Amino acid sequence: EIVLTQSPVTLSLSPGERATLSCRASQTVSSSQLVWYQQKPGKAPRLLIYRASIRATGIPDRFSGGGSGTDFTLTISRLEPEDFAVYYCQHYGSSPPMYTFGQGATLEIK
Amino acid sequence: QVKLVQSGAEVKKPGSSVKISCKASGGTFSTYTIGWLRQAPGQGLEWMGGIIPIVGAANFAQKFRGRVTITADKSTSTAYMELSSLRSQDAAIYYCARDVGLGEGFDMWGQGTMVTVSS
Repeated sequence: EIVLTQSPVTLSLSPGERATLSCRASQTVSSSQLVWYQQKPGKAPRLLIYRASIRATGIPDRFSGGGSGTDFTLTISRLEPEDFAVYYCQHYGSSPPMYTFGQGATLEIK
Repeated sequence: QVKLVQSGAEVKKPGSSVKISCKASGGTFSTYTIGWLRQAPGQGLEWMGGIIPIVGAANFAQKFRGRVTITADKSTSTAYMELSSLRSQDAAIYYCARDVGLGEGFDMWGQGTMVTVSS
C-alpha cells in the first residue's frame, strides 16, 4: 500500500511569498494519478491540481504542480490571503481502486 | 453544473448504523465514480469506498470492508453509504465526492454530513 508523506507539516509564510509543499510517495507512482486539494476550515476540499501538474477548472495560475516518481510538489508562486489553508496530496491506485491521502500540510500566515 | 447534496447531521449510539445519502443534481450521475470519504475532527481525509452507479459494484478501503455498504439509485441520482457497528472513533464529517475520470481527482464534493456517536 502506498503511503504519502507531506512536508513540511506546517509552513508559515507571508502574503506575497512563494510556497512550496512536498508530497513523497513510499514507492514510485504514476504522475497521472497524483492530485492536490485545498481545504479551508469548515469547508469541503477543493480540487487544485490533477495528473500532478494540470490545474483544475477555475484554479489561478499562481498554483502549479510538478514532480515525478516518488517526489511531487505544489507551488504557490505569490501567496494571496485566501491561500492560507490545509493542502492534501492524493494518489489513485487502480488495481484495486484505492485513493490514498497524505496527512495534510497547513499553510499559515506568518 | 453538477451539485451533490448530502443528508443532514446524525447522532447515533455505539453499535448502531448510519446511512447517508448523496443526491446529484444538474448533470450526469451514473457514469462517474462517487466516492465516500470522511474526516475526523482535526484530522485528515480518509477514503472509505466508492461506486460507479452505471456499473453498480462498489469497492472499499480494506479498513472498512465488511462494515460499509455503498449503493446507488440511478433513477433518483442518489448514492448511499451505510456504516454499521458504529464506535466513537467513527465520529466525523462524511463526504461524498465525484471523480469524473479515474484518478483525476474529486472535482465535486457534497457539503458533508456530521456524524456524532454517543451513548
